[in-house]
Amino acid sequence: DSGVTQTPKHLITATGQRVTLRCSPRSGDLSVYWYQQSLDQGLQFLIQYYNGEERAKGNILERFSAQQFPDLHSELNLSSLELGDSALYFCASSADRGRYNEQFFGPGTRLTVL
Amino acid sequence: GQQVMQIPQYQHVQEGEDFTTYCNSSTTLSNIQWYKQRPGGHPVFLIQLVKSGEVKKQKRLTFQFGEAKKNSSLHITATQTTDVGTYFCAPARGGNEKLTFGTGTRLTIIP
Repeated sequence: DSGVTQTPKHLITATGQRVTLRCSPRSGDLSVYWYQQSLDQGLQFLIQYYNGEERAKGNILERFSAQQFPDLHSELNLSSLELGDSALYFCASSADRGRYNEQFFGPGTRLTVL
Repeated sequence: GQQVMQIPQYQHVQEGEDFTTYCNSSTTLSNIQWYKQRPGGHPVFLIQLVKSGEVKKQKRLTFQFGEAKKNSSLHITATQTTDVGTYFCAPARGGNEKLTFGTGTRLTIIP
């Protein structure tokens, strides 16, 4: 158990819909990262938040947005969903103090768009 | 953009054989991390390398960081079925030290 929680575990929805994925980082971790992993694919970095502020952006579509709240939990919003958005979405957190920051991954949310 | 190649993409080995995966960058890296993802699981941190030429060992796993800090390798001696999974390198660069994951090497073990 990494200490990072993600809800829901599974999500099935239809094209055009909007969903919200939630992540609670490890206690004390200030950074939250979101990744997308399609079937048999690598980890695509989407976005990073640090203490409530956006810190880095990866290959995140305009239809996707995220935020980190004062209690440090984060939400990833996916809208106008397409079939190709079906994937495993991981959240990770790190303490992000200094240069040596391992990331702790949550169990992921499996999104299926029908 | 960042150019990180991880090879091989897939590796099938007989149980007891050795396994090596390589991570190559076109630019100098500030540090590199390695993660393992078991089938159906999430990535788990294995190690971080920072110094040029650094070698670290964890039981049967040996991690190396190249002298020029452009490549790294993970070597597993005498593989076991518990080693099955995908191994990712995650090189970070200067500046905001953002991690970008390599494409991964999927290891399967033939019992």
